[in-house]
Amino acid sequence: NAGVTQTPKFRVLKTGQSMTLLCAQDMNHEYMYWYRQDPGMGLRLIHYSVGEGTTAKGEVPDGYNVSRLKKQNFLLGLESAAPSQTSVYFCASISGVTEAFFGQGTRLTVV
Amino acid sequence: DQQVKQNSPSLSVQEGRISILNCDYTNSMFDYFLWYKKYPAEGPTFLISISSIKDKNEDGRFTVFLNKSAKHLSLHIVPSQPGDSAVYFCAASVRGSQGNLIFGKGTKLSVKP
Repeated sequence: NAGVTQTPKFRVLKTGQSMTLLCAQDMNHEYMYWYRQDPGMGLRLIHYSVGEGTTAKGEVPDGYNVSRLKKQNFLLGLESAAPSQTSVYFCASISGVTEAFFGQGTRLTVV
Repeated sequence: DQQVKQNSPSLSVQEGRISILNCDYTNSMFDYFLWYKKYPAEGPTFLISISSIKDKNEDGRFTVFLNKSAKHLSLHIVPSQPGDSAVYFCAASVRGSQGNLIFGKGTKLSVKP
């Protein structure tokens, strides 16, 4: 069982560049989430999706866009990367119960 | 405003002793609480949860206690083992809120042999 898979695992971007982070889950979960983790800040919700074709903003959505064209995939885009977006990004999915399953994370550095 | 607070950034415990990790919350609408464990370079993994209708939930060496009147929960690990060394996140949600989990900042537990 793959669970939740994130690609890429590491990336270095220059300021102003764009990129897309991919999250894929094979558990047929309806809900999917993107979090970022920064030192001393815990996990903060960026965007989430409650089903295919739907997305919504979380706590820190600015500078990010998302899409959920297929139920199993949730994409996080950075259109113009900034150093403040240097972080570790985690994707999670959830079933009807509240326990969330997380991917292994994407470490992004913006220089 | 932090809705879920873990006021101790770190905790060091001797192997075999009890580890107690604390978490406070401010939102009285929260009705489900979870603890996640995170090792370096890995994603968080679910550890144990408790519904607001209970005051205790036990799973092997792990017990979570909930004090609703104080808006406080704690995770007890007995006995602590070196493999328990990790960052522990407390999380809370409101059922029906589309699964949105609000996380605390985490407590780094070090269990020394």
